[in-house]
Amino acid sequence: GAGVSQSPSNKVTEKGKDVELRCDPISGHTALYWYRQRLGQGLEFLIYFQGNSAPDKSGLPSDRFSAERTGESVSTLTIQRTQQEDSAVYLCASSYQTGLSSPLHFGNGTRLTVT
Amino acid sequence: GQQLNQSPQSMFIQEGEDVSMNCTSSSIFNTWLWYKQDPGEGPVLLIALYKAGELTSNGRLTAQFGITRKDSFLNISASIPSDVGIYFCAGQYAGGTSYGKLTFGQGTILTVHP
Repeated sequence: GAGVSQSPSNKVTEKGKDVELRCDPISGHTALYWYRQRLGQGLEFLIYFQGNSAPDKSGLPSDRFSAERTGESVSTLTIQRTQQEDSAVYLCASSYQTGLSSPLHFGNGTRLTVT
Repeated sequence: GQQLNQSPQSMFIQEGEDVSMNCTSSSIFNTWLWYKQDPGEGPVLLIALYKAGELTSNGRLTAQFGITRKDSFLNISASIPSDVGIYFCAGQYAGGTSYGKLTFGQGTILTVHP
């Protein structure tokens, strides 16, 4: 596709359940990023991938959060045993490569609501 | 960690007015970027700045990379209703494992009255 695609666009889940969020980056983009945006706030870095490796996962809030990327393409962000404070929009972005002159292109996000 | 302070938090202006917003950082960045986010969508890149002191324009938008590398501003001239949205600054630091990571400001909510 032409842009970064995320699914689902909305997800409502019960506290304690696991969720998987998917990101399809722009074809050919080697770098992929996950950010979290709480209501009315800026974007909070979670993790980024260069290829299938994650050089920086320092933003993952707890061990309930994990992410993987396969085939240097699709990535999934998994949240286990969801809590109400996990409610947020989860944004994925990709770039041609990591680097100061390779801008990030964002998807429209997955809005997660934990009840 | 690096912190970005973006101001103002919100602005209410009349169509045709000019707008200015800025970001300051506790430490240096190698790149400053400005994004706009519309409701229900991801941020879209407006302007990227790569050199200290750089002044860059994109249509009615002008942004500058501060000489100290710790600040940046964005100006919008002759605002129009479609300028409404949330504007974010972001900084990127070229060091270690942080190479690919953007740090975002808290956002400026812009409302334009016709």
